[in-house]
Amino acid sequence: GAVVSQHPSRVICKSGTSVKIECRSLDFQATTMFWYRQFPKKSLMLMATSNEGSKATYEQGVEKDKFLINHASLTLSTLTVTSAHPEDSSFYICSARPPGQATGYTFGSGTRLTVV
Amino acid sequence: GQQLNQSPQSMFIQEGEDVSMNCTSSSIFNTWLWYKQDPGEGPVLLIALYKAGELTSNGRLTAQFGITRKDSFLNISASIPSDVGIYFCAGVGTNAGKSTFGDGTTLTVKP
Repeated sequence: GAVVSQHPSRVICKSGTSVKIECRSLDFQATTMFWYRQFPKKSLMLMATSNEGSKATYEQGVEKDKFLINHASLTLSTLTVTSAHPEDSSFYICSARPPGQATGYTFGSGTRLTVV
Repeated sequence: GQQLNQSPQSMFIQEGEDVSMNCTSSSIFNTWLWYKQDPGEGPVLLIALYKAGELTSNGRLTAQFGITRKDSFLNISASIPSDVGIYFCAGVGTNAGKSTFGDGTTLTVKP
């Protein structure tokens, strides 16, 4: 079946540095990808919609300058957490919808970000 | 924004028992989705429901799309230890395919 690959799976960074997370759709093209954030034992909160070839659309309350999204190709979207702080520590997950799969999105395996 | 109320929050059951969980919303959704998430992993789609009243099975899992389009339930029959995990419902409205997730039901199965 369709696979969404997310990299890295875990990352630890120092406060003030930036971290890039990649989301790739394998064997299918995705004009739209979604980025979620999940706190421990909590639900998935949509952060932004990544659109290939155009600007991402951010959910209310999400700082676009803090969480930079680039969707430069039909198989890759990246999320960069800029000037990371400990409160940015979280589980970040992307999703994409394979062609022919009406509405159910395929999720990546997530990235555990820890900012120290 | 749209919100989903998922219950129960957690369940502790014995292997072999049946499980039922549900989601309700004050908003109408066009699609209901049920996912399972294992620790440290992304959610995996279990069942997708596209029409009000639709009843769909996937092995021991059965889910229904409520007639009012504001609710859905998921049943797991004859639970086994590998059913352990967090189950999320998600509703998809008309807003560009965005999914709204419930808070999850944490299932623990005792052998």
